[in-house]
Amino acid sequence: SQTIHQWPATLVQPVGSPLSLECTVEGTSNPNLYWYRQAAGRGLQLLFYSVGIGQISSEVPQNLSASRPQDRQFILSSKKLLLSDSGFYLCAWSKRDRVIDTQYFGPGTRLTVL
Amino acid sequence: SQQGEEDPQALSIQEGENATMNCSYKTSINNLQWYRQNSGRGLVHLILIRSNEREKHSGRLRVTLDTSKKSSSLLITASRAADTASYFCAHLLSGSARQLTFGSGTQLTVLP
Repeated sequence: SQTIHQWPATLVQPVGSPLSLECTVEGTSNPNLYWYRQAAGRGLQLLFYSVGIGQISSEVPQNLSASRPQDRQFILSSKKLLLSDSGFYLCAWSKRDRVIDTQYFGPGTRLTVL
Repeated sequence: SQQGEEDPQALSIQEGENATMNCSYKTSINNLQWYRQNSGRGLVHLILIRSNEREKHSGRLRVTLDTSKKSSSLLITASRAADTASYFCAHLLSGSARQLTFGSGTQLTVLP
């Protein structure tokens, strides 16, 4: 069966510090991978998605970046965090089909920037 | 914005009652999905309805889709306290194979 992991689960960082959130998927190959951010009590905002190693599409201009160094690894980074980067970050994957029917979400990382 | 909208934003009902949540969207879709999120957790896929379908059932869940009105509804019958969660609709835009657009969610509280 497939599983998706995210870490850390929670993170408190000062403004201006760097960020690295990691997401890994097990039990599947060639997944589409996604990073979302969710503000408190709000819906999901798609940040990045990737259809393959080294292939990243950015949906929202910001000070965040994403990388996919391996097929089942997706990393969200920042060189300098802003207060507005606080939120709940969710990684998800979907099958590499022509049309996706389901996204599978990780447990999320709660980021607080102080 | 292409984001869907759910209503109501919050819904509080007694255990055993039915809960109905609605979702509207703005563009042509390929399919529409409903997800559930328990507080502080990831989302879990509940049910998918394709653009050529009008109604679908899964256990206590019933989803309808009206493409002429660009709307969908999720009905949870005989609700339980464990159904307390946020519910999101998400749609796959026509011509977009890989990106789901999520609504803002409905917070459902089922009181025991």
